[in-house]
Amino acid sequence: DGGITQSPKYLFRKEGQNVTLSCEQNLNHDAMYWYRQDPGQGLRLIYYSQIVNDFQKGDIAEGYSVSREKKESFPLTVTSAQKNPTAFYLCASSWGVEGELFFGEGSRLTVL
Amino acid sequence: KNQVEQSPQSLIILEGKNCTLQCNYTVSPFSNLRWYKQDTGRGPVSLTIMTFSENTKSNGRYTATLDADTKQSSLHITASQLSDSASYICVVSARAAGNKLTFGGGTRVLVKP
Repeated sequence: DGGITQSPKYLFRKEGQNVTLSCEQNLNHDAMYWYRQDPGQGLRLIYYSQIVNDFQKGDIAEGYSVSREKKESFPLTVTSAQKNPTAFYLCASSWGVEGELFFGEGSRLTVL
Repeated sequence: KNQVEQSPQSLIILEGKNCTLQCNYTVSPFSNLRWYKQDTGRGPVSLTIMTFSENTKSNGRYTATLDADTKQSSLHITASQLSDSASYICVVSARAAGNKLTFGGGTRVLVKP
């Protein structure tokens, strides 16, 4: 089945550690996105990529990094520089910037 | 500043009843408006996408309306079912570089038997 797969579903991190969240899609979409969701708030864009080997900062990119070496994959690294990383992270993809967004199931990161 | 406000923040309805969720936006220039359903702990799933020229769009028991003049949208749920318990998110797209999306905070709906 076509879709977006995020892993892990749950992740615990100690302060000062970097962690990487995986996002893989087999929808042949060009555009991929990472969002952060906090309780009671709208989704906020961290990074997005419209094509392989190119990505752009979103509204809250500080403390995060991404790569887009393959069309199917868009991993997100939460670095120790992110001061408040505990959140629900959602990866999404679309045909183009105006296309319907397809979301993964999310990854919940908790900093201990 | 582009903003999307949803109301109410939460509501409880009895199974079989109807309900309407509201979305007001200040996004400009407007490109399209989307409604998503998000089950707890899951990713959002698209319900409808409406462009400037569309006033209403249905997806099963979900009907979305759009008034581009007043910059308001509503999502009507007919004959609610327990599976409708979820958060409903209004998202507005700006017709600008990257077609930036602005997300509302969502309305949490709980359907009780």
